[in-house]
Amino acid sequence: EPEVTQTPSHQVTQMGQEVILRCVPISNHLYFYWYRQILGQKVEFLVSFYNNEISEKSEIFDDQFSVERPDGSNFTLKIRSTKLEDSAMYFCASRVSMGNEQFFGPGTRLTVL
Amino acid sequence: AQSVAQPEDQVNVAEGNPLTVKCTYSVSGNPYLFWYVQYPNRGLQFLLKYITGDNLVKGSYGFEAEFNKSQTSFHLKKPSALVSDSALYFCAVRDTTGGSYIPTFGRGTSLIVHP
Repeated sequence: EPEVTQTPSHQVTQMGQEVILRCVPISNHLYFYWYRQILGQKVEFLVSFYNNEISEKSEIFDDQFSVERPDGSNFTLKIRSTKLEDSAMYFCASRVSMGNEQFFGPGTRLTVL
Repeated sequence: AQSVAQPEDQVNVAEGNPLTVKCTYSVSGNPYLFWYVQYPNRGLQFLLKYITGDNLVKGSYGFEAEFNKSQTSFHLKKPSALVSDSALYFCAVRDTTGGSYIPTFGRGTSLIVHP
């Protein structure tokens, strides 16, 4: 069964450093998403991406964040200058079309020291 | 605006007993409703959804949920719980009006099934 994959599973970084989180969505899916989940809290939407552009983003997704689909298979989330409060589990998700459910990856745990 | 509430942080049930995990929602129009399960160190896995049609929706692993428009609820149920059902369960809602296609997730309910 096809699945969304994410790398790395755990990323530790120093405050102020740039990080890139990588995702490979399911191959025939067209809509891509990033969510985050701070420990013990709810899943929060960051950004959605369709047709090579951002379609929606939340207030969390400020100028420090960017997304890219560089090669037709990977979908990346970049945080330019990490802050302590960026420490969270970051989930990538994809879906084939609107109205269908999203498929989530296993997540990347980001720890900012 | 759309919102979802899961009033219980934790639900405890004995194996073999029926379980219910509660979810209520608020939307301006009609809702799309989803349940996801998260096992430790894993991503969210889709369980079931309500889009339209029958109020009782059947999903994966023997779970079902009932859409109740008058009570704005979408409680998750299973007739006989298994220890392996122990996990974190998330309800999500998307308003079909307003232009956004992004679901809002609840805080999650930890289900613990005791042997």
